[in-house]
Amino acid sequence: AQSVTQPDIHITVSEGASLELRCNYSYGATPYLFWYVQSPGQGLQLLLKYFSGDTLVQGIKGFEAEFKRSQSSFNLRKPSVHWSDAAEYFCAVAPFGNEKLTFGTGTRLTIIP
Amino acid sequence: EADIYQTPRYLVIGTGKKITLECSQTMGHDKMYWYQQDPGMELHLIHYSYGVNSTEKGDLSSESTVSRIRTEHFPLTLESARPSHTSQYLCASSEYSGGEDTQYFGPGTRLTVL
Repeated sequence: AQSVTQPDIHITVSEGASLELRCNYSYGATPYLFWYVQSPGQGLQLLLKYFSGDTLVQGIKGFEAEFKRSQSSFNLRKPSVHWSDAAEYFCAVAPFGNEKLTFGTGTRLTIIP
Repeated sequence: EADIYQTPRYLVIGTGKKITLECSQTMGHDKMYWYQQDPGMELHLIHYSYGVNSTEKGDLSSESTVSRIRTEHFPLTLESARPSHTSQYLCASSEYSGGEDTQYFGPGTRLTVL
């Protein structure tokens, strides 16, 4: 069975600084990979996804993620964060050809002035 | 992007009551899902459906039940609510297209059982 690890429970970043959120997965083959964002009291919004092809994926709100097969990672990045980026971020994985998602425990992002 | 609606958004109810959480989507997606999320925790799949009259249990055991009589509607029912059912419940839908299958989520229902 697949699993997802988000090593950072909570990250604090200054507004305007760069951001990288880590995600590592465990799966025997190349999975489908996703990043979702959840604002307090809200559902999940899809930021970006990787199915195949170019390993650098662009998403909404200026986010990008890079799939690195050798490191089993799919880290999320943003060059300059905004106060509105404060939220919980979830990495998720689905086996190739399967729609069932396994989520990581999430990383809570706090933005300071 | 899919339009998924969940009602109610917040529900506070006493122990032993029967409740139904509603989920509807307007995109005609075949697949629908229910997840349970405790505060500060990851999401766990509790039910899913591949289409009308199809329902399956997810990875996390749940005392809730679901039905799928119409493509757009996937309600979740608790026959007798207990405090242990207090959680956030998220509904999602997806459809396989062009080699991709992406889940889109509703806003969630936050349930508190007293």
